[in-house]
Amino acid sequence: AQSVTQPDIHITVSEGASLELRCNYSYGATPYLFWYVQSPGQGLQLLLKYFSGDTLVQGIKGFEAEFKRSQSSFNLRKPSVHWSDAAEYFCAVGAMDSNYQLIWGAGTKLIIKP
Amino acid sequence: DGGITQSPKYLFRKEGQNVTLSCEQNLNHDAMYWYRQDPGQGLRLIYYSQIVNDFQKGDIAEGYSVSREKKESFPLTVTSAQKNPTAFYLCASRAWVAGSNNEQFFGPGTRLTVL
Repeated sequence: AQSVTQPDIHITVSEGASLELRCNYSYGATPYLFWYVQSPGQGLQLLLKYFSGDTLVQGIKGFEAEFKRSQSSFNLRKPSVHWSDAAEYFCAVGAMDSNYQLIWGAGTKLIIKP
Repeated sequence: DGGITQSPKYLFRKEGQNVTLSCEQNLNHDAMYWYRQDPGQGLRLIYYSQIVNDFQKGDIAEGYSVSREKKESFPLTVTSAQKNPTAFYLCASRAWVAGSNNEQFFGPGTRLTVL
């Protein structure tokens, strides 16, 4: 069965520091991979997606993610975080044989220290 | 501007009452979804619809019902049979692209509180 794991429930980083949020998935073939961000009490916004091709994908707000097939990972990175990046981040996986549903990770809450 | 609207933003319900959450999209998307979000948990799929007049149960459909009479609308009814309905409800939609499981777009959510 497909699954998505975000190992870190909370991550705290200082403003200006680099960030890496982890996402591991379980799926036999190459999946469709997504990162979304959610501010408190809001809907989800797509940060970036990977379908095929270059394994390093660029997204909005200065985020990037790298697909590593050998590690079944799709980690999200940002070189320098801003206080406005404080939010919850969700990784999701989709597959052609999943009836076009997405499988969601539990989310990682990012806290920014001033 | 194209997008997804959900109303109301906050909803209060007494125990034993049914309540309907609205979801409208003007993106011309074929597929629509309803998710439930509880603190510390990811998104759990309630119902989804890939075309008008058709919908399927998700992982936690018990106590909920939906309809899809129009492409742009996918209302969710939380019935009195739902044991613990207090949660944040998110509606999403997706364009149908053959051979692709492309991204979903989300509305701003409705927070339902049972008093």
